[in-house]
Formats: sequence, structure tokens, C-alpha cells
Amino acid sequence: AQKVTQAQTEISVVEKEDVTLDCVYETRDTTYYLFWYKQPPSGELVFLIRRNSFDEQNEISGRYSWNFQKSTSSFNFTITASQVVDSAVYFCALSLLEDTGRRALTFGSGTRLQVQP
Amino acid sequence: KAGVTQTPRYLIKTRGQQVTLSCSPISGHRSVSWYQQTPGQGLQFLFEYFSETQRNKGNFPGRFSGRQFSNSRSEMNVSTLELGDSALYLCASSLDQGMPGNTIYFGEGSWLTVV
Repeated sequence: AQKVTQAQTEISVVEKEDVTLDCVYETRDTTYYLFWYKQPPSGELVFLIRRNSFDEQNEISGRYSWNFQKSTSSFNFTITASQVVDSAVYFCALSLLEDTGRRALTFGSGTRLQVQP
Repeated sequence: KAGVTQTPRYLIKTRGQQVTLSCSPISGHRSVSWYQQTPGQGLQFLFEYFSETQRNKGNFPGRFSGRQFSNSRSEMNVSTLELGDSALYLCASSLDQGMPGNTIYFGEGSWLTVV
């Protein structure tokens, strides 16, 4: 069975600090997809990034960057120069196709990020 | 294009009542799934619909049900509400069903409080 672990329950930083959110996953499948979502207080999960298991290139999007390492089964997310608007709960998720042909999407427990002004 | 739309956004119900939540997926998306989010259990998968058929189901009692219409819009129903059903119910849509690489887009959710 697959599993996603976000060991950091809550992180508090001061504005302009860099912060890294950890995500470790478990699966025996060789084909899978990893996602990050942001959930602001309004409730909606906002899609941030998708990465497939065959693409280990790191990605940068503005202040956001992602480090995917299959060797350690990790897909970490870094926010550079954090801002108050980054305050939210961030979820890492693993998606794969089960033997039944059904998609299984497993979420981590989330990391609450608080950015203080 | 418009995102996933859920109604109502907030509602309060009494124990024993039933509730129906509605979801309109992104235009062109044919798969709709539902999740329950609570502080203690996190995000839990309820069910997924595609072409008006339930394709996958999470580990929830039969009081939780859903359906999908021909226009891909979906509803979920919870009967005989319990206090523990208080949660944020999130609807999500994706292009197709059974494709793990398809991004799932979420709505803002329906906040249900059972008193």
C-alpha cells in the first residue's frame, strides 16, 4: 500500500525566510505521480505542481522550487523569501494506478505554514 | 475557465437530518470525486464518479452516497447525520477517470456543521 508522510505538522517562519516542506512517500510501483497542493483558510486546495516518477528534474516557479529524489523517495518543496500570503496548509499527494485499474490518490497529513510579518 | 463550484458553502444541520451537497466540475471534466476533511482524520476519499457511475469508493458507511448526472455535475448525500460528520467536504474534478497523471482540481468545499 502507498503512503505519504509529511513529518512537519506546523512550521513558523518570519517573512523573507526560506522554508522547506518535507514529503516522503512509499510505493512499490515504478510509475506514479506526485502533487503539491496549497490550502488557504478559505478551504480550496490549490494545485501547485505535478511530477511523474520518471522526471527527476527539479523545478522552479518564481519563489517556489521542488526537489524530487527517487533515491530517498522524497519530493520536498521550498519557498524562497516567504511572504505572509504563503501562510496555508500544504499537502503532498501520491497518485498511481492500482491493480484494479482504479486511480489511488493518497494525501499526506499536511504541513501548516505560518509566515509572520 | 471556471473552476470547481460547490454549493452550499456553509451549512448547519441537526443530528439525524440528511444533507445534500452539490458540485459542478470544470467544464470538460468528466470525473468527479469527493473528499471529507476533518482535523483528526485529514483528507479522506469518499467516492469517485465517471459517466454517471461510481468507479471507486472509500471506507465510509452507507449513509454516505452520491451520484453523477449526465452533465457531469455531482451530488453527495449524507443521511442520519452524526456529530462526527461535521467536516469540510471537498469536491474535485479531473479530465478522466483512472488516469493517475491527471491533475485533480478542487473546489472551495462545503463546510458542514452538525449540532
